[in-house]
Amino acid sequence: EPEVTQTPSHQVTQMGQEVILRCVPISNHLYFYWYRQILGQKVEFLVSFYNNEISEKSEIFDDQFSVERPDGSNFTLKIRSTKLEDSAMYFCASSDRQTNEKLFFGSGTQLSVL
Amino acid sequence: AQKVTQAQTEISVVEKEDVTLDCVYETRDTTYYLFWYKQPPSGELVFLIRRNSFDEQNEISGRYSWNFQKSTSSFNFTITASQVVDSAVYFCALSEGPNTGNQFYFGTGTSLTVIP
Repeated sequence: EPEVTQTPSHQVTQMGQEVILRCVPISNHLYFYWYRQILGQKVEFLVSFYNNEISEKSEIFDDQFSVERPDGSNFTLKIRSTKLEDSAMYFCASSDRQTNEKLFFGSGTQLSVL
Repeated sequence: AQKVTQAQTEISVVEKEDVTLDCVYETRDTTYYLFWYKQPPSGELVFLIRRNSFDEQNEISGRYSWNFQKSTSSFNFTITASQVVDSAVYFCALSEGPNTGNQFYFGTGTSLTVIP
């Protein structure tokens, strides 16, 4: 079965540094998402992306976050100036249709901000 | 208010026992979708099932079954004859629709441990 691939699996950074989390969605999918899961808590929606623009974003997704599809295969999440509370597992997901379709998730990037 | 509530934080069962994971949701939409995902120790989120609000038929897939009851806003998940490989965190999720952003609301998860 096709997979969503995320790199790196673990990222450690110093507070205030910029990080870029990378994702390769399933090749024929058109809708892309980022979710995060703080340790021991529920998975939370960050942002959805379609046709090179953000479709929807949560209140978590503030000005320090940005997303980009720099080429035909990658989908990135950038955190401009990391804070301690950004430490979490970040999941990329994709779907082939927009409305309420199941999401295929990657295996996540564990971000640790020191 | 939580849109999805999974009241059971942790459950332990002995192998071959049946176990039911509860999920209660809250929405004002008449069209919505419910999902279950499994998160094994390796961390990925694995899709298990998707149901829409107009289909209340219960579903069975092997040892897995789902009981959707709109009257109680519940979408419970039963594993029959549990196995050690079923040990994981299970998340219930809601998508309200039509939803232009396909935003999922996840519950807090139920951690299932199956003891050999």
